[in-house]
Order: sequence, then structure tokens, then C-alpha cells
Amino acid sequence: KQEVTQIPAALSVPEGENLVLNCSFTDSAIYNLQWFRQDPGKGLTSLLLIQSSQREQTSGRLNASLDKSSGRSTLYIAASQPGDSATYLCAGSIGSTLGRLYFGRGTQLTVWP
Amino acid sequence: GAGVSQSPRYKVAKRGQDVALRCDPISGHVSLFWYQQALGQGPEFLTYFQNEAQLDKSGLPSDRFFAERPEGSVSTLKIQRTQQEDSAVYLCASSYPVAGGSPNYNEQFFGPGTRLTVL
Repeated sequence: KQEVTQIPAALSVPEGENLVLNCSFTDSAIYNLQWFRQDPGKGLTSLLLIQSSQREQTSGRLNASLDKSSGRSTLYIAASQPGDSATYLCAGSIGSTLGRLYFGRGTQLTVWP
Repeated sequence: GAGVSQSPRYKVAKRGQDVALRCDPISGHVSLFWYQQALGQGPEFLTYFQNEAQLDKSGLPSDRFFAERPEGSVSTLKIQRTQQEDSAVYLCASSYPVAGGSPNYNEQFFGPGTRLTVL
């Protein structure tokens, strides 16, 4: 069974810091990898999608990379802002399971002014 | 355009009651997924539809859970004889098809979820 670990579980930083969130999969045969943001009591907002032929994606202050050989992904947040406070979840699909996503437990991020 | 919608947003049920949760996917999205998210956990897969066909139901925790998508659009997740351990947020996601491609390649878009509390 695919297991997904996210480190750290929680992070509290002052505004303006550059952040690195980590995600690792026990099965490195990942097709797609998505990073999501979840605000309290809300659903998941897709932030970045790395497809099987890609290694990296960027959107604004966010950059995600995927190392398929190790099954590890990193989400980099530049110049963090209080509005970035949320739980960040990584999820991946593997070849044999028709698109179902395997999720980590998330990193709870707090950015204070 | 409209995103994935789910109803009700909140549901409180007494133990033993049956509940039905609805998902309206993004128009034209072929694939539809249901996930269960317990408090403090990441979402866990329940079941997957491609159009009206349920292709994977391996994540359904017991035979009290049943999902359908009879016309390939709206989906309903039904839980019979609810138990306290069923309390969770139920998330629905949909994705658009890549012609001839595997659903593995498609970005999933999530609804706001239904928070189910079983007393």
C-alpha cells in the first residue's frame, strides 16, 4: 500500500520567510503529483500539478518539484504571507490504480505578521 | 465556470440512520472520485466512476457504503445504518478526460465536502 509522509507536520513562521514543505512516497512509481491547499472547514484547492513527464511546476510564489527516483516532492513557498496560512497536502496517483490519489496528512502552516 | 458542488454541506445523523450525500461534478468531467477525510488526516479514497461505470470501489469501508452515478453526471454516496466511526468529511472530486489517456494523468478538482456527524 502506498504510504505518504509529509514533513514537517506543522510550521509557524514570520511573514516574509521562504519555506520548504516535504512529501515522500513509499512507492516511487508516481504518475501525477498534486499539491493542495485546505483552509479550515473547506475543501481542497489544487495548487500545482506535476504530470508524469514533468519534474517541476511553478505558479507565482509556489514551486513544486518531483524526484521520481526517490519518490520525493518538495513545495517551495517564497516570501510567505499571512494569507498562506492553511494546511498543505500532497497527493500522488500510481499506475495501477486508475487515478485514485494517495494523500499525506498535510503540513499545517501558520504565517504570522 | 462552476466548480464541483456538494450537498448538504453539513449532516447530523443518529446512529443507525441512513444518509445520502450528493455530488455535482464540473460539467463534462468524465471521472468522479469520492474520498473520506477523518479529522486530522489526509483524504482516503473510497470509489471511482468513469461516466456511469463504477470502476473501483475498493476503498469503501463496508457494505453499508454504496455509491452510484446512474446518468454519468451527478453522484450519490449512500451510507446505511450509520455508525459513529462514519463521522468524517466526505469529499467529491472530478476530472476531465485526456483522449485515450489514463485517468492517472488528469488533475482532480474537489468540492467543499459534506461534514457528517453521527451521534
